[in-house]
Amino acid sequence: SQQGEEDPQALSIQEGENATMNCSYKTSINNLQWYRQNSGRGLVHLILIRSNEREKHSGRLRVTLDTSKKSSSLLITASRAADTASYFCATDAVIYTGGFKTIFGAGTRLFVKA
Amino acid sequence: EAQVTQNPRYLITVTGKKLTVTCSQNMNHEYMSWYRQDPGLGLRQIYYSMNVEVTDKGDVPEGYKVSRKEKRNFPLILESPSPNQTSLYFCASSFFRGDTEAFFGQGTRLTVV
Repeated sequence: SQQGEEDPQALSIQEGENATMNCSYKTSINNLQWYRQNSGRGLVHLILIRSNEREKHSGRLRVTLDTSKKSSSLLITASRAADTASYFCATDAVIYTGGFKTIFGAGTRLFVKA
Repeated sequence: EAQVTQNPRYLITVTGKKLTVTCSQNMNHEYMSWYRQDPGLGLRQIYYSMNVEVTDKGDVPEGYKVSRKEKRNFPLILESPSPNQTSLYFCASSFFRGDTEAFFGQGTRLTVV
């Protein structure tokens, strides 16, 4: 299975509700990032959380990281129809050559009904 | 405006006909990479480059080549495309080794018939 796995695969909520997406990973990481993708378009960076951080906020976004459980969650509060998109977590894993690989999960598709 | 530019956006080609997808960034980023996105599989890294003349394989490099002769450009080359390379391709760039956000191009939708 992949390094980053989002849960759930799809989520449908009403406007104004909160949306929570989870991400699990397998190896040690330097940081974890969340991205958003509108249908068929490029990914847009939302937030980065480093391995020594536990929580981070940006506007209506709240990200938590639990390195002991190798998991992260993204909370979008007071969702809007414009939040409808796919959300991906990405982790950076150091590899033996000294480089690193950025590994994306399969994503959570969020649909916010107006 | 800071951006990553991919061309073409859409391409239909035939099996075996060599093609190149260009990628250019104007942010002086050291790190660039190529991904392919397929339904249910998320983004998978094809190749990456940590700087000029430094490239390495990602998770799915078979059937692809890259070059990094200049810092701003990172073309993806398919020497002999096959139908299983039909996919949505993204180029991305960032400073250093992933400690900062990655900027993505708008994608290239490739169909190989």
